[in-house]
Amino acid sequence: AQKITQTQPGMFVQEKEAVTLDCTYDTSDQSYGLFWYKQPSSGEMIFLIYQGSYDEQNATEGRYSLNFQKARKSANLVISASQLGDSAMYFCAMREGGDNYGQNFVFGPGTRLSVLP
Amino acid sequence: DSGVTQTPKHLITATGQRVTLRCSPRSGDLSVYWYQQSLDQGLQFLIQYYNGEERAKGNILERFSAQQFPDLHSELNLSSLELGDSALYFCASSVRDRIIYNEQFFGPGTRLTVL
Repeated sequence: AQKITQTQPGMFVQEKEAVTLDCTYDTSDQSYGLFWYKQPSSGEMIFLIYQGSYDEQNATEGRYSLNFQKARKSANLVISASQLGDSAMYFCAMREGGDNYGQNFVFGPGTRLSVLP
Repeated sequence: DSGVTQTPKHLITATGQRVTLRCSPRSGDLSVYWYQQSLDQGLQFLIQYYNGEERAKGNILERFSAQQFPDLHSELNLSSLELGDSALYFCASSVRDRIIYNEQFFGPGTRLTVL
């Protein structure tokens, strides 16, 4: 079974509108972390936002917020006021394991976001 | 610029060969992570080192090995290369040994093409 599912291979959004990118995860760990990364066409990976499994409040970083629903095992990324520069591939990722040894990192297949002028 | 450097940027080689990819973490970062990004497998975590010691292992093949040196730079060695090893290989670094809050900073990647 896939540990990270991103059901939207591609998304379109109008400039200045908000968009939600879906992510569901599967883990039996109590301690885990969820990340979102952006990969523009240039290829670099850019960290956007992090949510810990014990964090009670949803993470926010500027125009990015993470809608964390623990019971549903979902960690959707919300981008407000989309900009043309937001066009990129977006990856949801999970860090399993809270110990010093044996952490595992799993990435989803990604969602390609295109922002339309 | 993340502060993580990777060399070379591109590498073209033949099947059966061996290559070494190099990564220098951000100044002060003790942890190094290696990832492989290919079209069919997506992004996969390979291995993590912290201050010279292996800390976590992901989907790393036995033909692949890595190490972290006293100056904290890391090398990923790929041997007996196959066509399927063609991919973008990322190195990332972070300050601590555990990713609890802080993000990993990714390098620009090394694109490996096996012909």
